[in-house]
Amino acid sequence: AQSVTQPDIHITVSEGASLELRCNYSYGATPYLFWYVQSPGQGLQLLLKYFSGDTLVQGIKGFEAEFKRSQSSFNLRKPSVHWSDAAEYFCAVGLTGGGNKLTFGTGTQLKVEL
Amino acid sequence: EAGVAQSPRYKIIEKRQSVAFWCNPISGHATLYWYQQILGQGPKLLIQFQNNGVVDDSQLPKDRFSAERLKGVDSTLKIQPAKLEDSAVYLCASSREGNEKLFFGSGTQLSVL
Repeated sequence: AQSVTQPDIHITVSEGASLELRCNYSYGATPYLFWYVQSPGQGLQLLLKYFSGDTLVQGIKGFEAEFKRSQSSFNLRKPSVHWSDAAEYFCAVGLTGGGNKLTFGTGTQLKVEL
Repeated sequence: EAGVAQSPRYKIIEKRQSVAFWCNPISGHATLYWYQQILGQGPKLLIQFQNNGVVDDSQLPKDRFSAERLKGVDSTLKIQPAKLEDSAVYLCASSREGNEKLFFGSGTQLSVL
């Protein structure tokens, strides 16, 4: 069965600093990979997704993620964090051909210091 | 475009009581999902519908949980009887088809005392 590990439960960065959130997955075939963001009281919003092709994926709000098959990783990055980026971030893996039946990681809570 | 609507927003019940949650997906979305998000964990898929048929309910605790999607639009998720460990946020999500972008509702936060 597929699984996702987000090793950082909490991360604090200063506004304007760069950000990298880690995600490692376990899946036997080529996975579908996703990053979602969840603000308090809000539903999850899709930031970006990787299905195939270019391993560097651009998303909304200035985020990007890089798929590295050799490391089974799909880390999320942003060059300059804004205070409004404070939220919880979830990495998820979907089965090839399985659509949106996603397995989520436990999430990383991002705090942004002004 | 209106989003995925869920109600109620919050629900507090005592253990062994029953509870129901309602979801109205985005218009035209054929695929609907219910996820359970326990505090400190990522969402876990409970059930997937395609129109009014169940595609996957392998992770639904069928001894106490039930879900239906009559007429292929709105859906209800029911828990009877509730246990303490059912305390969680129940998220509904929909997509136009199974592989397309998933839209989540704001969820129903359930507290079982």
